[in-house]
Amino acid sequence: GAVVSQHPSRVICKSGTSVKIECRSLDFQATTMFWYRQFPKQSLMLMATSNEGSKATYEQGVEKDKFLINHASLTLSTLTVTSAHPEDSSFYICSARDLSGDNSPLHFGNGTRLTVT
Amino acid sequence: GQNIDQPTEMTATEGAIVQINCTYQTSGFNGLFWYQQHAGEAPTFLSYNVLDGLEEKGRFSSFLSRSKGYSYLLLKELQMKDSASYLCAVRDSNYQLIWGAGTKLIIKP
Repeated sequence: GAVVSQHPSRVICKSGTSVKIECRSLDFQATTMFWYRQFPKQSLMLMATSNEGSKATYEQGVEKDKFLINHASLTLSTLTVTSAHPEDSSFYICSARDLSGDNSPLHFGNGTRLTVT
Repeated sequence: GQNIDQPTEMTATEGAIVQINCTYQTSGFNGLFWYQQHAGEAPTFLSYNVLDGLEEKGRFSSFLSRSKGYSYLLLKELQMKDSASYLCAVRDSNYQLIWGAGTKLIIKP
């Protein structure tokens, strides 16, 4: 089945630094990838939709200048958390949909646990 | 507004059967998904329903009634490894996924 690879799986950074998270679709092309954030014991929250070759679409309340998304190719999207603060500590998950069919599900990366100290 | 409701937590016994319900109110409907998420891990796809009725996949089955805005996930022959959160998600008319908060399933020996 379709595989989405996300890297790194864990990262600890100091407040004020930036962190880049990569999301790759390994065996299919993904014109659209999705970035989610999940706080403990809460559901997934969609942050933005990443579109290959164009600007990402951000959900209400998500700062586009803080969460930079780049989708430079059909298999790679990156999320950069800029000037990270402790409240940005969370579980970030990317996903992509294999467009082989209308009922194709989202495939998720393994997630990145970000801790900002 | 759009809303997905599912119980916060359920407990069941190993070897038994459990049904996790999901009700939804969304702007349009283009399918309902169930995902399993173990603690600290990303969700994994379990099932998809777009037409009314039951979809069976081994120990897991999912049911949909579009007229009632209702679905359930049925897990049979429960195993300890089934302890996880189960997320219901509906794809609306804009093909956006609306997520439920998840149901934490606790399996006891």
